[in-house]
Amino acid sequence: EAEVAQSPRYKITEKSQAVAFWCDPISGHATLYWYRQILGQGPELLVQFQDESVVDDSQLPKDRFSAERLKGVDSTLKIQPAELGDSAMYLCASSSSPGTGYEQYFGPGTRLTVT
Amino acid sequence: GQQVMQIPQYQHVQEGEDFTTYCNSSTTLSNIQWYKQRPGGHPVFLIQLVKSGEVKKQKRLTFQFGEAKKNSSLHITATQTTDVGTYFCAGRGSGTYKYIFGTGTRLKVLA
Repeated sequence: EAEVAQSPRYKITEKSQAVAFWCDPISGHATLYWYRQILGQGPELLVQFQDESVVDDSQLPKDRFSAERLKGVDSTLKIQPAELGDSAMYLCASSSSPGTGYEQYFGPGTRLTVT
Repeated sequence: GQQVMQIPQYQHVQEGEDFTTYCNSSTTLSNIQWYKQRPGGHPVFLIQLVKSGEVKKQKRLTFQFGEAKKNSSLHITATQTTDVGTYFCAGRGSGTYKYIFGTGTRLKVLA
């Protein structure tokens, strides 16, 4: 069964350093999501792509976070500089179509710890 | 902005007891999805509801979408230890592609 791939699975970084996460969605899925999940809370959408275009990044802290999906396939989420409050699980998900209610397939996530 | 709340936050039940979690949105939804996240795992899709008043069943799980499309519920009959995890609803508002996840209900089943 096809899966969403994410790397790294775990990342420890010092505050003020740069960090990047990578996501490879299920083949053929046009929509890609990046979520942040703080322990004990629900996933919060950071950015949503339809192919290579951003359709929602209203909750992305743009002064330090950036995301790209240059060829409409895999995606990278970057944080620079990292802050202590960025410690969380970063989940990537993909679906075959936006907004029409297709299920989201989540990857295993990247657990970020900022020290 | 749109907010999605779930109650209860936690629920401990004895194996064999029933369990219900409720999801309430501050705005009318186009559709709602339910996910289960096992401890240490990632969310896994359970079901989607689209129509007002819709009821869907999956074995021991029953999902309902309210008439006003602002609330939903998940009911598990005769819980099993395999039901342990956190259940999230995710609602999509009208005219948006964005899903807002609820606060989640963490279920613990005691054998």
